[in-house]
Amino acid sequence: RKEVEQDPGPFNVPEGATVAFNCTYSNSASQSFFWYRQDCRKEPKLLMSVYSSGNEDGRFTAQLNRASQYISLLIRDSKLSDSATYLCVVNWDQAGTALIFGKGTTLSVSS
Amino acid sequence: DAGVIQSPRHEVTEMGQEVTLRCKPISGHDYLFWYRQTMMRGLELLIYFNNNVPIDDSGMPEDRFSAKMPNASFSTLKIQPSEPRDSAVYFCASSFLIGNSGNTIYFGEGSWLTVV
Repeated sequence: RKEVEQDPGPFNVPEGATVAFNCTYSNSASQSFFWYRQDCRKEPKLLMSVYSSGNEDGRFTAQLNRASQYISLLIRDSKLSDSATYLCVVNWDQAGTALIFGKGTTLSVSS
Repeated sequence: DAGVIQSPRHEVTEMGQEVTLRCKPISGHDYLFWYRQTMMRGLELLIYFNNNVPIDDSGMPEDRFSAKMPNASFSTLKIQPSEPRDSAVYFCASSFLIGNSGNTIYFGEGSWLTVV
């Protein structure tokens, strides 16, 4: 069964806080991992890819633990503009083309 | 650059009517995906095409749903007959595969369908 599980939240944090989201996936053969961001009533957009060694993009850090089939996203120094739903995404086929999305974790950053 | 273009953006229809959703992928992309999003089930992959050929339609909920891609620049998702439980946002997305690094898919703005 194709499953990507996330804590739905919501996570309510003040500006400047650090927040972490977790995700687990059921297909041990998955090779591609991403975090997408979706704003209210908008389409999902790529936030960042997740690499085996972990990777950072400004205030965002993504990590992958293949043994535990676990992905994380850390947001430092939260901004009001970070308020959105964050979707964990995993490929489901050998070619890495079909992406399966988690239901998302909702973040609300307040001033 | 033009992104993925979907139409209609919003549709309200009566139960039993046929619904046709349309998508124009990004030029040069060889993969096209249809997703459905609801609060209960999140984003579900319905079907995807590679070079206009359907590769996996295991996510299509039932025979009332069908999808076609007659050429590289156009795809349709049809629901006939429609039912209230089909109410959702239907996203079309496209991508091209880069080596072994997987792919980034780009979504259209979605077609918001309400079946009453």
